[in-house]
Amino acid sequence: GIQVEQSPPDLILQEGANSTLRCNFSDSVNNLQWFHQNPWGQLINLFYIPSGTKQNGRLSATTVATERYSLLYISSSQTTDSGVYFCAVDSTLGRLYFGRGTQLTVWP
Amino acid sequence: SQTIHQWPATLVQPVGSPLSLECTVEGTSNPNLYWYRQAAGRGLQLLFYSVGIGQISSEVPQNLSASRPQDRQFILSSKKLLLSDSGFYLCAWRRSSTGELFFGEGSRLTVL
Repeated sequence: GIQVEQSPPDLILQEGANSTLRCNFSDSVNNLQWFHQNPWGQLINLFYIPSGTKQNGRLSATTVATERYSLLYISSSQTTDSGVYFCAVDSTLGRLYFGRGTQLTVWP
Repeated sequence: SQTIHQWPATLVQPVGSPLSLECTVEGTSNPNLYWYRQAAGRGLQLLFYSVGIGQISSEVPQNLSASRPQDRQFILSSKKLLLSDSGFYLCAWRRSSTGELFFGEGSRLTVL
């Protein structure tokens, strides 16, 4: 299967700071998604981004498929951004391979 | 629009008791459906997936089973729970046109 590595594993920020989360994957992919798991456990879809760049408010993501990585940018972080951020990829429409996530803690 | 729901949200069960977690999807037909488990430590483990009624693929041999009695219904079961079955169980469906995955709210199971 595809190997997915996320970094850093843990990130602690003060409110207002910017951050970059990285996702490296071991093979060509057809699908790449970023999720945010909130403190209640729910997984929220952030981006579906197999290639290119997308922005949604303070969040943006870039996937460079040829170099097998994706970046998630969080600007002006808020306490509500806390939680675990997952990257997931696949090469067919069968299953998604998840990274182990980045635990983000934003302090007021 | 499509929605996905799971229940119960929280469950505390004794060792050896049966389990049934239910997941339903609305607003789409013939979805691919998935059960994931998240134990302490963050990783998501794929347990089962289904591409149609009665079609179940198991990713990991274990104490659990899955069934898909109707097109938009996916059930996770166990005849006798083990302590190691504790965890957070997530159902998901997949949009066939793009492969994008959407999760339900999750069911937190504690086996005592």
